[in-house]
Amino acid sequence: DTAVSQTPKYLVTQMGNDKSIKCEQNLGHDTMYWYKQDSKKFLKIMFSYNNKELIINETVPNRFSPKSPDKAHLNLHINSLELGDSAVYFCASSLPGERFDTQYFGPGTRLTVL
Amino acid sequence: AQSVTQLDSQVPVFEEAPVELRCNYSSSVSVYLFWYVQYPNQGLQLLLKYLSGSTLVESINGFEAEFNKSQTSFHLRKPSVHISDTAEYFCAVSEIGGAQKLVFGQGTRLTINP
Repeated sequence: DTAVSQTPKYLVTQMGNDKSIKCEQNLGHDTMYWYKQDSKKFLKIMFSYNNKELIINETVPNRFSPKSPDKAHLNLHINSLELGDSAVYFCASSLPGERFDTQYFGPGTRLTVL
Repeated sequence: AQSVTQLDSQVPVFEEAPVELRCNYSSSVSVYLFWYVQYPNQGLQLLLKYLSGSTLVESINGFEAEFNKSQTSFHLRKPSVHISDTAEYFCAVSEIGGAQKLVFGQGTRLTINP
C-alpha cells in the first residue's frame, strides 16, 4: 500500500501555463508538506498544513498556492509557470506530537518547464 | 534560523570499505537531527534520527551517527558498505519546539564501486 502518493510523476509543460500536482496520504497523518528539490538536489520546504490549516509558508512566490481539501490531501497549484520552477516537488506527511515525528515522503513529481 | 553543511558532495568507496559522511549544522537553538536517504528515482526515506538520550543512534541497515554538540556535527558512518547503499544522503535538522520544518544539507552522493 502506498503511504504518500503523488500525481503525476512527470509533468512537462510550457512557460506561462498553470498546473497542479496532487498529493494524498493514507497514513492518517494530520500534517502535510511540500518540498522543492532543485537541479543541484538541494531540498527546501515550501509549505506545511496541519488539519487543513496553513502552518508554514516559506518565501515562495504567490504563483504557488497549496490547497488542502481534507487532511489526507494537499495539492500544489502553480500559476504562470517559469523556467526556474523546473524541479522535483516532494510531498510529505507526519503525525505531529510533542516531539518531532518522522516525515514520510512521496516519490516526487518531476516538473519540467520548457 | 538553521543551516546544514554536508562537507562532501560526492563520496566514492569500494564495496566492504568503511565510509563516513560528514554533516555540520548551525543553529541558535537546540535542534533534532536526521539523516535521510534517497535511492535513485525515489523519494526520501528516514535513515535515523537523534531526538534525545544517547548521542549514538543506529539504523537497521548498519549505519550509525553520533551527535556531537560541541562540534555541532552529526556524521554518518558505516563500517562496511554494500552496492545497495549507493544513494544520495541528506542530513537535516529541525528546531526543537518549532514548526517541524526540516532544513536540509546539500546532500552527499555515495557511490559504491565493486
